[in-house]
Amino acid sequence: SQQGEEDPQALSIQEGENATMNCSYKTSINNLQWYRQNSGRGLVHLILIRSNEREKHSGRLRVTLDTSKKSSSLLITASRAADTASYFCATDGGSNYKLTFGKGTLLTVNP
Amino acid sequence: DADVTQTPRNRITKTGKRIMLECSQTKGHDRMYWYRQDPGLGLRLIYYSFDVKDINKGEISDGYSVSRQAQAKFSLSLESAIPNQTALYFCATSDPSGFYNEQFFGPGTRLTVL
Repeated sequence: SQQGEEDPQALSIQEGENATMNCSYKTSINNLQWYRQNSGRGLVHLILIRSNEREKHSGRLRVTLDTSKKSSSLLITASRAADTASYFCATDGGSNYKLTFGKGTLLTVNP
Repeated sequence: DADVTQTPRNRITKTGKRIMLECSQTKGHDRMYWYRQDPGLGLRLIYYSFDVKDINKGEISDGYSVSRQAQAKFSLSLESAIPNQTALYFCATSDPSGFYNEQFFGPGTRLTVL
């Protein structure tokens, strides 16, 4: 069963705008990860946030985690056309090192 | 990630045929995974292997089998392919010595079963 659930399913913005994607999950986690997938290609790890962290930054990416609400958000600032991709959250329950992926958010950044 | 390769990249086959998808990695990771991706369903885990002698079923293993020939090689087989196995298949690896379970994905195999 899917653990993470991204919202929205699709997001279309203009270049230079910020993009925010949300992920909700159901059970306790060890960490939560975000991946990017360009059309039809493999997933690429973007950023990881541990269960005891509330916010993390990496370049133009900002991830927040609220374990009380079982939710996370991924913010991409000053978006570029090259950011066009699907973004997936994945939860690590910590028990056996499997990741459970959500269904993804398709981000389109229009030039 | 070029360190994880998959062959073939595309395959069209017919119902009832046996198909093998291969995955090789040069990352030296012990853990390897097979996922399938369907539109609107995200990634679902088929099988995973923590080392050559440790293979485990994932959430959708029915109709699939795997073989871990070596640390670097993990193959997925469809013994008798059916149309609803048409999907994008990904292999991934992770390093158990790392503190976190970051996974590294291959480029994928697009399989079409007619």
